[in-house]
Amino acid sequence: DIVMTQSPDSLAVSLGERATINCKSSQSVFYSSNNKNYLAWYQQKPGQPPKLLIYWASTRESGVPDRFSGSGSGTDFTLTISSLQAEDVAVYFCQQYSGTPCSFGQGTKLEIK
Amino acid sequence: EVQLVESGGGLVQPGRSLRLSCAASGFTFDDYAMHWVRQAPGKGLQWVSGINWNSGSIGYVDSVKGRFTISRDNTKNSLYLQMNSLRPEDTALYYCVKARGLYDSGVAFDIWGQGTMVTVSS
Repeated sequence: DIVMTQSPDSLAVSLGERATINCKSSQSVFYSSNNKNYLAWYQQKPGQPPKLLIYWASTRESGVPDRFSGSGSGTDFTLTISSLQAEDVAVYFCQQYSGTPCSFGQGTKLEIK
Repeated sequence: EVQLVESGGGLVQPGRSLRLSCAASGFTFDDYAMHWVRQAPGKGLQWVSGINWNSGSIGYVDSVKGRFTISRDNTKNSLYLQMNSLRPEDTALYYCVKARGLYDSGVAFDIWGQGTMVTVSS
């Protein structure tokens, strides 16, 4: 099974500053057959279910603000929030969906400094 | 509006059974795979089970194999999870989740319900 490891576990960033969350998979989630990385990012605010932000490692879900971006390939991925807003306080999870079982990272808690 | 509404959770003793249901609306249910994902209190996300659009492909996490059964009724736009031989470690909020495509693997999860809480305790 593929293990997903996020870093850091928690992060405090000032409003308007950049936030960067990393995710590493224990094996590659890139498929050369379709040139896609099977990696998604989710945002979970307190008391709410997770919300899909990014899929295929860098494709933003409809309605997600463009300050959110995803990058990386193979085993190393990054979620970047270019200018942190108060409403971005949440826990962020990465997920690989390249096979069964899919698996999630442990989560990164993002707070305002 | 696309919506998933779970029901059937509750407090149950170890070894007993529970059946979760998920009512889907606002999209063509039989065009998409569906999943159950759980989250223990204060913990992360764990995929539990998935089923493709026509029930032809089903998967489970190892810890529930032989105890849980996922099913769907496309005529009722509903997803189910039959949970037998429940253990304290099954205690979690269970989310019903819609996949972005037909198949139970290879696609991200775009719609999540609010969840139904399952507590296994004597």
